[in-house]
Amino acid sequence: GAGVSQSPRYKVAKRGQDVALRCDPISGHVSLFWYQQALGQGPEFLTYFQNEAQLDKSGLPSDRFFAERPEGSVSTLKIQRTQQEDSAVYLCASSHRDRVNSPLHFGNGTRLTVT
Amino acid sequence: QKEVEQDPGPLSVPEGAIVSLNCTYSNSAFQYFMWYRQYSRKGPELLMYTYSSGNKEDGRFTAQVDKSSKYISLFIRDSQPSDSATYLCAMSANSNAGNMLTFGGGTRLMVKP
Repeated sequence: GAGVSQSPRYKVAKRGQDVALRCDPISGHVSLFWYQQALGQGPEFLTYFQNEAQLDKSGLPSDRFFAERPEGSVSTLKIQRTQQEDSAVYLCASSHRDRVNSPLHFGNGTRLTVT
Repeated sequence: QKEVEQDPGPLSVPEGAIVSLNCTYSNSAFQYFMWYRQYSRKGPELLMYTYSSGNKEDGRFTAQVDKSSKYISLFIRDSQPSDSATYLCAMSANSNAGNMLTFGGGTRLMVKP
C-alpha cells in the first residue's frame, strides 16, 4: 500500500507567519511521530501519538509548536509565529504498533524555510 | 554530549570497497538498534534492525552490536554507487514514548564508480 504521505513538500514562510504541516500515515498504523531534521543533522524527536492521544510532546521546542491527531489518523503539526530557527525538514513517521520493536516508516518530509 | 554519536563524514570510497560505518552511544537502556539510509530530499528508510548484541546479515549488509562497548557498526560489502547516501543509526528503549527512536547525526557516504 501507500507509504507515509506528507504535504506540502516545500513551504516558504515569512517570519511571523503561521504554518500547518500535514501527515497521512500508513492506514491502520497506531503510532505516529513527528521529527525535526536540521541541515546535516539527524532527526530529532518532537512528539508522539498513540491513536488520537498525544503521549509525549517533550521534544517540541516551544509553545509555538502544536500537534494534533484528532481522529487517530491524519496528523497536523502547526507552528505559530515562525522564526528563522524553525527552518528545517519536518518528518512524520508511523508504525503498526506502539511496541519498542515495531519499525518506523518515514515520509519524505516537509522542508520549511522561514525568510 | 549527544546520546548517540556518529562521524559525519563524508566518507568517499571506490566502487567495490567494503564500507564500515559506526556509532557510539551512552544510554545503556537502548535495546533495539537500527540503520536507516537517507537519500537526498527523501525520508529515512529502514535498512537493518537488530536486538541486543550480536550480528545480523542481509545481503551485502551486516549489522553488529556490542552492548558492552556501547558501539554499533554497519558493514557494506561490494559497495555500489547507488549506496551513496547518508546513513543514520537509530536506537530505542522501553519508554512511555513507545518505539521512539534516538538518531545519530548521520554519516554521508559517497561511492565513486
